[in-house]
Amino acid sequence: EIVMTQSPPTLSVSPGERATLSCRASQSVSNNLAWYQRKPGRAPRLLIYGTSTRATDVPARFSGSGSATEFTLIISSLQSEDFAVYYCQQYINWPLTFGGGTKVEIK
Amino acid sequence: EVQLVESGGGLVKPGGSLRLSCAVSGLTFNRAWMYWVRQAPGKGLEWVGRIRSNFDGGATDYGEPGKGRFTISRSDSEDMLYLQMSGLKTEDTAVYYCTTGQDWRALYFDFWGQGTLVTVSS
Repeated sequence: EIVMTQSPPTLSVSPGERATLSCRASQSVSNNLAWYQRKPGRAPRLLIYGTSTRATDVPARFSGSGSATEFTLIISSLQSEDFAVYYCQQYINWPLTFGGGTKVEIK
Repeated sequence: EVQLVESGGGLVKPGGSLRLSCAVSGLTFNRAWMYWVRQAPGKGLEWVGRIRSNFDGGATDYGEPGKGRFTISRSDSEDMLYLQMSGLKTEDTAVYYCTTGQDWRALYFDFWGQGTLVTVSS
């Protein structure tokens, strides 16, 4: 099983600032990496797939990069609606695995 | 519009059984690979399992927590996905989501239900 490790566990950011979230895989997943946003009481929302492709209706302030074992999600200018928990997920191997999440909170 | 609506959650005693359902509309269900994902209180997202389309053989795969205890099935005639859970443990307490993607053979997930809460407690 590929283990996905996200850092930091919590990120305190002021509105308008940039947030950088990291995801590391225990072995190469090539570019088979997705990011999700999760708000309390709501289902996860797909943000990014294929490492860097934004899903439908995802604002351009969200961008993904990386390859192999190191990946980054950047939120360029945090809006109030962006405070949430973010998860990465690899889909190169079964079982598909998620990272433990990064909570982006208001500073 | 794609909709996934889970039902069947509730309170069950340890060792008990429960069957979750997911009604799917707005996509070609009989070609879609379907998944169950759960999130326990205070924990992250966790795979329960998946079922391939019957077109692709209909095989099921399970995450470690549900192996031997959970069974995923589907009804293409009714556009329904099911999760039969038995031998439930307190650690199975979670919100259970059905999910799939725009691609028939989805490996990442555009569409999610609202979730159904399963509480395992005596």
